[in-house]
Amino acid sequence: ILNVEQSPQSLHVQEGDSTNFTCSFPSSNFYALHWYRWETAKSPEALFVMTLNGDEKKKGRISATLNTKEGYSYLYIKGSQPEDSATYLCASHTGTASKLTFGTGTRLQVTL
Amino acid sequence: DTAVSQTPKYLVTQMGNDKSIKCEQNLGHDTMYWYKQDSKKFLKIMFSYNNKELIINETVPNRFSPKSPDKAHLNLHINSLELGDSAVYFCASSPRLAGGGTQYFGPGTRLTVL
Repeated sequence: ILNVEQSPQSLHVQEGDSTNFTCSFPSSNFYALHWYRWETAKSPEALFVMTLNGDEKKKGRISATLNTKEGYSYLYIKGSQPEDSATYLCASHTGTASKLTFGTGTRLQVTL
Repeated sequence: DTAVSQTPKYLVTQMGNDKSIKCEQNLGHDTMYWYKQDSKKFLKIMFSYNNKELIINETVPNRFSPKSPDKAHLNLHINSLELGDSAVYFCASSPRLAGGGTQYFGPGTRLTVL
């Protein structure tokens, strides 16, 4: 994998459903993987920064896992609520550069 | 207490004009960035500065010139604006240059070139 890729591109779930989406990134020279939440008309807001293989982070109903050897991360949302509706971006930090390479995001819509 | 602020929020201008977007952060961070959100909603890095020094310049036309008067400010000046420059521009900052430091984003500036 040369770029950061996210799937699915968009997702529509009902309130209360649990959901997950994937971020694939180059595994060579891996340094860190970021997840951001981006609501419409606002700026991206950091959720997690993960660096270690097997790392798992949690914030309320949202959690993320990291596999640096195969180059993927999953983001899980348990019991989705309408306020979870947003685009979820992942971004990869490779080497020691300060550059983040963003994926195109997964747009989540949660309806009642 | 806004952490990363940008002005203006909206900018509508004619082709050929020169315009500037300002960015300020009050987080005490060393590193600042400019990103462009393209028509496909993709965030792409344009520039990064660390302690007023240019670190990353990602194949951006030289009509775009960033300026960092101090480490709390990173302004973006664009000469001879073209239709294709229409986009949302985001400023961001992070505590330091290297490493996995979280980036904090400004609210964005929507530039429309007519």
